[in-house]
Amino acid sequence: EVQLMESGGGLVQPGGSLRLSCAASGFSLNNYWMRWFRQAPGKGLEWVASISQDGSVKDYMESVEGRFIVSRDNAENSLYIQVNSLRDEDTAVYYCARRHTTGASDVWGQGTMVTVSS
Amino acid sequence: EIVMTQSPLFLPVTPGEPASISCRSSQSLLHRSGNKYFDWYVQKPGQSPQLLIYMGSNRASGASDRFSGSGSGTDFTLKISRVEAEDVGVYYCMQSVKAPLTFGQGTRLEIK
Repeated sequence: EVQLMESGGGLVQPGGSLRLSCAASGFSLNNYWMRWFRQAPGKGLEWVASISQDGSVKDYMESVEGRFIVSRDNAENSLYIQVNSLRDEDTAVYYCARRHTTGASDVWGQGTMVTVSS
Repeated sequence: EIVMTQSPLFLPVTPGEPASISCRSSQSLLHRSGNKYFDWYVQKPGQSPQLLIYMGSNRASGASDRFSGSGSGTDFTLKISRVEAEDVGVYYCMQSVKAPLTFGQGTRLEIK
């Protein structure tokens, strides 16, 4: 079964850091661009970052540029995002998703919650 | 940034009745390849988002044939031929023709 599973979320103080992980199973990560999205409590969906198959191309939403770093380990079939200098407004459920060749995000993980609070 | 505007934002529907959601983009979503990088997603209560329609009009694997997508350029529509109780959730449109990828505000469908 094709699956993505995020982990690494938690409660962190403003200015703190976390490393979120996304483990893929049922398919080879190295064939796909991958994406991170987030959803603040009670709010809509927001794209955070994308990374190419070999990790050479990375895109970020403006408000996380310079603070978040997306990476991947295709040998481990895993995707990561290092979230640094966290702010209250980064509080959200973070989802990883697979980018299909059509451009759509066809597989999503269950999400991991990041809460930024003092 | 491409702005996606959905309407309505709240959609109460009687079971068995049709429903329709519109999404308008501030720029054309037609890629130079000829593909439309536009999708519909649904997020059911307590669940992750799931792909419903891709490239404007193609049903995702596992999506009911009661769902159909249409549109081109900047105006897109999601139609449900006969709403069922299991369709309750928030429907989002999304463009991926140009970064940053952007979503509509979401349309909450509820059963009357």
